[in-house]
Amino acid sequence: GENVEQHPSTLSVQEGDSAVIKCTYSDSASNYFPWYKQELGKRPQLIIDIRSNVGEKKDQRIAVTLNKTAKHFSLHITETQPEDSAVYFCAASKREDGNKLVFGAGTILRVKS
Amino acid sequence: EAGVAQSPRYKIIEKRQSVAFWCNPISGHATLYWYQQILGQGPKLLIQFQNNGVVDDSQLPKDRFSAERLKGVDSTLKIQPAKLEDSAVYLCASRSLQGWGETQYFGPGTRLLVL
Repeated sequence: GENVEQHPSTLSVQEGDSAVIKCTYSDSASNYFPWYKQELGKRPQLIIDIRSNVGEKKDQRIAVTLNKTAKHFSLHITETQPEDSAVYFCAASKREDGNKLVFGAGTILRVKS
Repeated sequence: EAGVAQSPRYKIIEKRQSVAFWCNPISGHATLYWYQQILGQGPKLLIQFQNNGVVDDSQLPKDRFSAERLKGVDSTLKIQPAKLEDSAVYLCASRSLQGWGETQYFGPGTRLLVL
């Protein structure tokens, strides 16, 4: 089955700097890659997603890139703010599997002001 | 639109006791998922329903876990008997079948502590 690896496990950046989190997946049939942000004690919230027919997607300070050949995708946050501090999870899914999400282990992002 | 609702939010039980969690998905969402999130890890799928049918329960420990979605709307997840390693957050998510239909929306979760 699908396996998703996520790096780094923790990331500390200074406010205003950029943060990059990387994920690799094993199943070349996966075609949907969402990123969730989870604050302490809260539900995972979708922040951005990308489908396999697109190489890059941007939404204000957040962008995701996908390299299907290498089977990896990355989350980029620019101009980080203290409120970006949270745990970020990447995930992969495919229609043939009922779109069930296979998650990475998560990255704890700390933005220092 | 109203989000995914779950109850209770917190539950503390002793090992070997039973517990049940409830989930009400977003109105009109045919697909419902239960995930287990152990502290420090990503959510892991337990079971997936489409309407009132089970699509995937391959990772559900069926000797102690059960789930149902009898009328194709809300769902319950039960653990009987509970073990210490069941301590986790149990997240429910739902998804629409319309359009691309991949986006899953999560509920607030039920935090279970087994003593």
